[in-house]
Amino acid sequence: QKEVEQNSGPLSVPEGAIASLNCTYSDRGSQSFFWYRQYSGKSPELIMSIYSNGDKEDGRFTAQLNKASQYVSLLIRDSQPSDSATYLCAVNSNTGGFKTIFGAGTRLFVKA
Amino acid sequence: GAGVSQSPRYKVAKRGQDVALRCDPISGHVSLFWYQQALGQGPEFLTYFQNEAQLDKSGLPSDRFFAERPEGSVSTLKIQRTQQEDSAVYLCASSLNPGQGAIHGYTFGSGTRLTVV
Repeated sequence: QKEVEQNSGPLSVPEGAIASLNCTYSDRGSQSFFWYRQYSGKSPELIMSIYSNGDKEDGRFTAQLNKASQYVSLLIRDSQPSDSATYLCAVNSNTGGFKTIFGAGTRLFVKA
Repeated sequence: GAGVSQSPRYKVAKRGQDVALRCDPISGHVSLFWYQQALGQGPEFLTYFQNEAQLDKSGLPSDRFFAERPEGSVSTLKIQRTQQEDSAVYLCASSLNPGQGAIHGYTFGSGTRLTVV
């Protein structure tokens, strides 16, 4: 079992819709959770971080964390074609030192 | 510097050749990470430095991989006797300190795309 699992997609949504990206993780000791966006040929860019159960909103982005279910999600409201990218879920575990473990990413396509 | 700088941006190596990849982190950043990202995959952890100390090298795939950060700033990832399976993008990331990185995430460089032919 991979430490961080994501559906590879592609996930295709129409412009203006809500895109929902999901991630599960295996280490119950995980403390910090991140969503990075990676455009093709570019490096990952941090867009959201969350540490506590519940929702965290930042503009059109909402991260959701459920530690009991070991589940993290990212909602993108009013999706735009410029949101088309690969979204990487990443988890930082105290038991793993300071390294952050990444999922394989979910490719999102927003159709104009 | 303003961001994490990596060089070269692209590297083509013949199988068996040695390569050296450079990372110049944000000035003052204590923590430095190297990740390897194969096509279609997420970044895979290679090694971690806190200042000049290499605290975790558990992700280095073989003894052909070696990393150093002798003065606690610039880091070099060296790959000896490159193989085709080493072809990937090598990403460097830094954070001000370990706690900040664990809580607020990292800043990544643009990466070095290594192609072994």
